[in-house]
Amino acid sequence: QVQLQESGPGLVKPSETLSLSCTVSGGSISSYYWSWIRQSPGKGLEWIGYMFYSGSTNYNPSLKSRVSMSIDTSKNQFSLNLSSVTAADTAVYYCARTALGRALIDYWGQGTLVTVSS
Amino acid sequence: DIQMTQSPSTLSASIGDRVTITCRASQSISSWLAWYQQKPGKAPKLLIYKASSSETGIPSRFSGSGSGTEFTLTISSLQPDDFATYYCQQYSSSPLTFGGGTKVEIK
Repeated sequence: QVQLQESGPGLVKPSETLSLSCTVSGGSISSYYWSWIRQSPGKGLEWIGYMFYSGSTNYNPSLKSRVSMSIDTSKNQFSLNLSSVTAADTAVYYCARTALGRALIDYWGQGTLVTVSS
Repeated sequence: DIQMTQSPSTLSASIGDRVTITCRASQSISSWLAWYQQKPGKAPKLLIYKASSSETGIPSRFSGSGSGTEFTLTISSLQPDDFATYYCQQYSSSPLTFGGGTKVEIK
């Protein structure tokens, strides 16, 4: 069964870049889209975007100007960068497997809390 | 963006009760709707996809119905393990969007 594990700093300073990685085990990273989703008390669940192993991406327009994603197929890992963060970006960040075609999110990582604070 | 509205936001129920949660989309999403269960401190877990198809391993007491703009998640007989927050999510078009959640509490 596929498993996903997020990793990265739990504390980021305002105006800096939030960087997270997700390691996929139990399956190939080449056969699905890979999403990032965040959850904050104020905004609920918010889809950030997904990417395919080929490098194609689909970002939420609300975050598009600050988001970039990358993928390392040799490590079965994908990553999220969110620039110019503010306190509003404080949230639990999840990585998730997303089906090709219709983008059904079926498996989620356990999530990692990122706090934006000086 | 397609807005997803869930009701109620909180629901108090007893063991054995039949529970119904409603999700409405701001425009038609055909049957491209998923339901997730989330327990405190855990990631959401897929229960239902394509409005009415059960994910493997999900108990048969969970069922989904609807199409277009109105959808329902039903728990036929509430069990202790079912006290959680439930979210609907549309995957008809980008950006993917979620409902605000329904918290099922013990009465």
